[in-house]
Amino acid sequence: DTAVSQTPKYLVTQMGNDKSIKCEQNLGHDTMYWYKQDSKKFLKIMFSYNNKELIINETVPNRFSPKSPDKAHLNLHINSLELGDSAVYFCASRPPTLAGDTGELFFGEGSRLTVL
Amino acid sequence: QQPVQSPQAVILREGEDAVINCSSSKALYSVHWYRQKHGEAPVFLMILLKGGEQKGHEKISASFNEKKQQSSLYLTASQLSYSGTYFCGTDNTNAGKSTFGDGTTLTVKP
Repeated sequence: DTAVSQTPKYLVTQMGNDKSIKCEQNLGHDTMYWYKQDSKKFLKIMFSYNNKELIINETVPNRFSPKSPDKAHLNLHINSLELGDSAVYFCASRPPTLAGDTGELFFGEGSRLTVL
Repeated sequence: QQPVQSPQAVILREGEDAVINCSSSKALYSVHWYRQKHGEAPVFLMILLKGGEQKGHEKISASFNEKKQQSSLYLTASQLSYSGTYFCGTDNTNAGKSTFGDGTTLTVKP
């Protein structure tokens, strides 16, 4: 019944490794996001997809590559992990409204990535 | 550009009131508020679209002053369950690029 689910919830890995985080939503929303929350709790938008199409791509290193196989899934792959990548990564989805893409964000539980 | 929240932290006793402010340097299309408890995901509280409306949800309400590019979240008669970090998210257009403030940590003590 979970609306937005992410896996894994915890990820501990060594510098230089490649890892992926998966996200799925069963709300029927067209728009999905990845946000990064660092140790200071700052929530920063990384990417947004609308119906499998990339619409927002913030200043994020090329090592981060999102993939949306269908509108219910948005995965995040990270190459050559660095210490600074340690954070909690939140996936979110959002319904469209008559006013545009301004509806509430439904967040997943987060994936805590620790790079050693 | 991210909105600025104030104060950064608030400590209250149960039953007291609090106001959290959110200011943007750019014109706002919408403002939304979330509460995040430690180790959990942010949870939506309310959204305000441009038009200066005020919304309420039980003892939590918010206002949006489009002209001043500000929103305020009002928590009245606070309960222990109100503790957490409150984030405002702002959109400058209806394109869905929500930018979050750096949060206000609210602690309610018995």
